[in-house]
Amino acid sequence: EAGVAQSPRYKIIEKRQSVAFWCNPISGHATLYWYQQILGQGPKLLIQFQNNGVVDDSQLPKDRFSAERLKGVDSTLKIQPAKLEDSAVYLCASSLGLAGDRETQYFGPGTRLLVL
Amino acid sequence: GNSVTQMEGPVTLSEEAFLTINCTYTATGYPSLFWYVQYPGEGLQLLLKATKADDKGSNKGFEATYRKETTSFHLEKGSVQVSDSAVYFCALSVPNQGGKLIFGQGTELSVKP
Repeated sequence: EAGVAQSPRYKIIEKRQSVAFWCNPISGHATLYWYQQILGQGPKLLIQFQNNGVVDDSQLPKDRFSAERLKGVDSTLKIQPAKLEDSAVYLCASSLGLAGDRETQYFGPGTRLLVL
Repeated sequence: GNSVTQMEGPVTLSEEAFLTINCTYTATGYPSLFWYVQYPGEGLQLLLKATKADDKGSNKGFEATYRKETTSFHLEKGSVQVSDSAVYFCALSVPNQGGKLIFGQGTELSVKP
């Protein structure tokens, strides 16, 4: 079974530029998560989708971050404009659902972003 | 609010030593508890989990017991190997909050031959 795919793996941009990350979850997984992991810290949830609807975006800085999950499969996360403090690893995870064994999340390899 | 606190690293051990990484939590309701591992250059992988009090999760020689009375979920392994060198994250999810994970800050483990 293929895992969660993310691209690109690495990205270097200058502040005030825009950037987009892509995630393809495990086939059949209804729930998709984007986490931000700053160096030396644990991941923090940015946004969660259930199929193509948003479940939780309370921690998403909506003035610069946006995300979508068209057709309930792939997802993109965009930052515009980027700030220095956005340098982090952006992790995508997916799960079958929200209860019991279905809630187990599987993570992609992440996209490492450096903002100069 | 809900939070997870892990012992600070890095932890350096010799091969075959006993490992304990402490994890305590604060949560409303009855959370599920998880340990994830991140090997160098790789993504997070679920190591083990427990969903109710006194449950023991185990995998690859690692164990952790859900202790509600002490709000803890300490990770243990009887004999570590060099290949166990990684960053270990304790996490929780709270029922009826969409399954999102709340992570501790991670503990780096380095095992020397």
